[in-house]
Amino acid sequence: EVQLVESGGDLVQPGGSLRLSCAASGFTFSSYAMNWVRQAPGKGLEWVSAISDSGGSTSYADSVKGRFTISRDNSKNTLYLQMNSLRAEDTAVYYCARRDGYNYRYYFNYWGQGTLVTVSS
Amino acid sequence: DIQMTQSPSSLSASVGDRVTITCRASQSISNYLNWYQQKPGKAPKLLIYGASSLQSGVPSRFSGSGSGTDFTLTISSLQPEDFATYYCQQSYSNPLTFGGGTKVEIK
Repeated sequence: EVQLVESGGDLVQPGGSLRLSCAASGFTFSSYAMNWVRQAPGKGLEWVSAISDSGGSTSYADSVKGRFTISRDNSKNTLYLQMNSLRAEDTAVYYCARRDGYNYRYYFNYWGQGTLVTVSS
Repeated sequence: DIQMTQSPSSLSASVGDRVTITCRASQSISNYLNWYQQKPGKAPKLLIYGASSLQSGVPSRFSGSGSGTDFTLTISSLQPEDFATYYCQQSYSNPLTFGGGTKVEIK
């Protein structure tokens, strides 16, 4: 059974840093690109970042570019999101999601339960 | 960036009703369009991928159609467990973008 379990969410002050983790199991982690998607309280879904299966290629939403860094450790089956210079508008539930599909027909079939990041003084 | 616009943003319907939700892309995205269902406090669940392909395990009352810029999610006969928020999402180009959501409520 595919499982994605996020951790690391917390209350942090503006300007602070946080690292989220997503532990994967039930599939060959190193064969799949992975993504982070967030959802601010009462709002819709926002794609945040993606990383290729090998980790050699990454992409970011403009809203987090230069502040967030996605990475992965395929030996530990774990995805990370390093979040620096946090702002109030980064407050959200952060989901990790496995990218399935091919040739741009991509979709998120597996999601974690989410971890809450609150940025407030 | 490709903007995804859903309508309506909310609707009220009764069990057994036929429900249609529309998603419009700001430019052509071929059929690179997915639909998700989200219930409060839960992660989104994939319903439809590639505009019209039903994800395994999803009831056949859900269907998707469209190509280019205009897409539709239809629930043929609304069931109590279908009351939720629905999102479209394009995978044609980065950044991947979601529609604003359509909340389906009980009438």
